[in-house]
Order: sequence, then structure tokens, then C-alpha cells
Amino acid sequence: SQQGEEDPQALSIQEGENATMNCSYKTSINNLQWYRQNSGRGLVHLILIRSNEREKHSGRLRVTLDTSKKSSSLLITASRAADTASYFCLPQGAQKLVFGQGTRLTINP
Amino acid sequence: GAGVSQTPSNKVTEKGKYVELRCDPISGHTALYWYRQSLGQGPEFLIYFQGTGAADDSGLPNDRFFAVRPEGSVSTLKIQRTERGDSAVYLCASSLGRGLYNEQFFGPGTRLTVL
Repeated sequence: SQQGEEDPQALSIQEGENATMNCSYKTSINNLQWYRQNSGRGLVHLILIRSNEREKHSGRLRVTLDTSKKSSSLLITASRAADTASYFCLPQGAQKLVFGQGTRLTINP
Repeated sequence: GAGVSQTPSNKVTEKGKYVELRCDPISGHTALYWYRQSLGQGPEFLIYFQGTGAADDSGLPNDRFFAVRPEGSVSTLKIQRTERGDSAVYLCASSLGRGLYNEQFFGPGTRLTVL
């Protein structure tokens, strides 16, 4: 299976600061996706980066991908209380899709 | 509606009972996924449908779990002889296909509690 492993498991920062979380995986991928989950319910797709891309932006989100290191990072700039959630990466290749345990992000007012 | 819907939102049942969980995907989405999620964990893949057929059911934990999608739209996850360990949030997602770049749209989930 193709599982993403998020790091750190938990992150707590002050509102307005930037938050960075990382994802590592083991086998080759076609793309990598990041999702957000609030309150243990449905996940929301944030951004998709293709294997031939190195960086992608969407609003306050910046995602990087380093296929040589099999890793990705998600940066959230100017964090807000509403960004408090769990964040998951999903590497997509030929194998079964497996989510990791996620990064639990807490934004303190 | 515009999104993926799941019913019921909450289900409480007794050990040994049979339950059915329903998922209505986004119209036109041919791919449908079921996951279950325990507290503090990431979603665990159960089964994936492409159209009416189960393209990958390797995540189903045992033969008490079964899912159908008879017309290639609505799907039902069926759990027989429920056990307390089946308690979890069951998530459904759909996507346009299982191509290289298809994002998954998730429903709000069904919280199953087995007493």
C-alpha cells in the first residue's frame, strides 16, 4: 500500500504565525493530495500536486513536493483559528490509497 | 444536492445486529470509496467502486462487511452481526474517476456506535 506519514503528529501555534507540516511516503507516485478534517467528520480536499510539479500555491496554502526525497510539505501562512483541524496527505500511485494518522493543528488566539 | 451525502448521520445499534449505511455520491462521479475512521486515526480504506463493480475490496476487514452499488450511483455498506469494535465513523467519498488526478469529495460520515 502507499501510505503517507505526516509529521509532526501535533502542532500548536499562535494565530497569525505560519504552520508547516510534512509528509513522507515510500513508493513512486502520480500525484499527492492534502486534505483537511474538522471535528472527525468528512475530509475536505485542499490541494493536489502532480509528480512533475515542485511547488503549488492556493490562497494561503503552499505545497512543495520533492520526489527524490519522497516528501511533501504543506505551509499555511498567516494562520487563523478556523485552520484548527487535522491535516492528511494522500500519495496516489498504483497501490491502494492509505491515509496516515495526520497532523493535528491547533491555532491559539 | 451538490455534495456527497450519507445517511444516517448517527446510528446506534446493539451487538449482533445488522446495519446498513447509505452513500449518495456526487452526480456523474463514477468512482466511490468507503473508509472507516477511529478516533485519532486517519481514514482506513475499505472498498472502492468503479461504476457498479467493486474494483478493490481488499480493505474490508472480514466477511461481515459487504457493500453494493447496483446502479453505479448510490452505495450501501452492510455490516452483519455487528461487534463493538465496528464502532467508528464511516466515510464515503466519490470522484470523477480513478484517473491520475481525481480528487475525492467526502461526505460528512455516519457515526456508528455498537453497544
